[in-house]
Order: sequence, then C-alpha cells, then structure tokens
Amino acid sequence: NAGVTQTPKFRVLKTGQSMTLLCAQDMNHEYMYWYRQDPGMGLRLIHYSVGEGTTAKGEVPDGYNVSRLKKQNFLLGLESAAPSQTSVYFCASSSRTGAGGELFFGEGSRLTVL
Amino acid sequence: AQSVTQPDIHITVSEGASLELRCNYSYGATPYLFWYVQSPGQGLQLLLKYFSGDTLVQGIKGFEAEFKRSQSSFNLRKPSVHWSDAAEYFCAVGPSGGSYIPTFGRGTSLIVHP
Repeated sequence: NAGVTQTPKFRVLKTGQSMTLLCAQDMNHEYMYWYRQDPGMGLRLIHYSVGEGTTAKGEVPDGYNVSRLKKQNFLLGLESAAPSQTSVYFCASSSRTGAGGELFFGEGSRLTVL
Repeated sequence: AQSVTQPDIHITVSEGASLELRCNYSYGATPYLFWYVQSPGQGLQLLLKYFSGDTLVQGIKGFEAEFKRSQSSFNLRKPSVHWSDAAEYFCAVGPSGGSYIPTFGRGTSLIVHP
C-alpha cells in the first residue's frame, strides 16, 4: 500500500538549475496538490489539479510549473531554481471534495537551492 | 473566504498531562473539519475529521475533538499525553461547496517534557 510517493526525497540545486519533483498516487484519486512548508508559514498551496489534464494555481505559484498528464502522477517543475525555493515540498491527493475528502500526503521532498 | 486560526504556535506539556490544542475557523456554511499530525521528517497524517452528526469525534492515538458551532471552534484534546505525541498539529477546513482547496492553519508545535 504505497499511497502517495514523492521522488526524490532530497535534492540540492545550484541557483538557476532546473528540476522536477514527481508525485505518484495509487488510490485513483481525482484531486492532487503541491504544497511547500517553511518554518512558521504552515502549508502553502503552490498548484493543484482536479483531474487528468487539468492544473490550477494556488497561493504561491510563481517560479513553479506543473503537469498532470496521467491521473496517478502530478509533476512539479522548477525551471530556474532560486534560494527562496529552498523548502520542503509535499504532495497530497484526495478522492473528492463534495464531502470534504481528507487529504493523503507524501513524506515530503526536501530541496535546498544554493 | 474560509480561514483557520491556530492561536498557539508552541505548546509545552509534561508527559501524562492533558492536552488541548485550539482551532478556530471562519466559514459560511457547515464546515468539514480535520486535524492532521506531522511527526518530524514525515508527511501529514489524518487524526480525525468532522462532517456532521455527533459534535465530539474520536480519532486515532487517543485523540478527540469537539465541534462547537457557537464558538466556531474545533479544539483537539487528549487526556494523557505520551512522549511520542510530540509533533506538529494542523487544523484544516475541508474543501466543499465547489471549492477544491482545503484551508490549513499554520500549525501548533507540541513539545512533551518527560
């Protein structure tokens, strides 16, 4: 029972480099989310998706892009990494929203941008 | 717009003491309410949730929460804290009514003294 799997778990980048974080869920969930977590800031939504082929901006989308080509996968890309993007990134998925579906989270991806 | 306030950034308790973590929300209709726990280095895990019905809900690990509509609160309680309960706790208002985005509080860090 994998649930939500994030890869990689750790990554160090230099300013200006690009990378992609992969989120995979095996629960057939419609909704997927990318959050970043910084000390004292709680969880901030970057982008989300309500189904295959759809994406939408969250609270802090600048500097990030996402894609949901397959229902089970939600990719988060950084085209030109900046030190301000040093953070822990969490992916989450949910089966529905109409009844307030709970979110299932991955274990996080810790990114450091030098 | 919905919002969630966790007024305590840190809470320190002694092992065996009782615990109450506060959560206040702002929402125009009947809310879907959640408490999540995040152990160090881990993702968030659902503790309990309230959708409707009995206002006192039981969760995992001996936690409970009480929904009080008149106070717009959903406080988390545990009668006797264990050292393993040291973690970050997040209150959330679930997505509903056409919104796909849950709203999280900024979290309360629980420190347990032996």
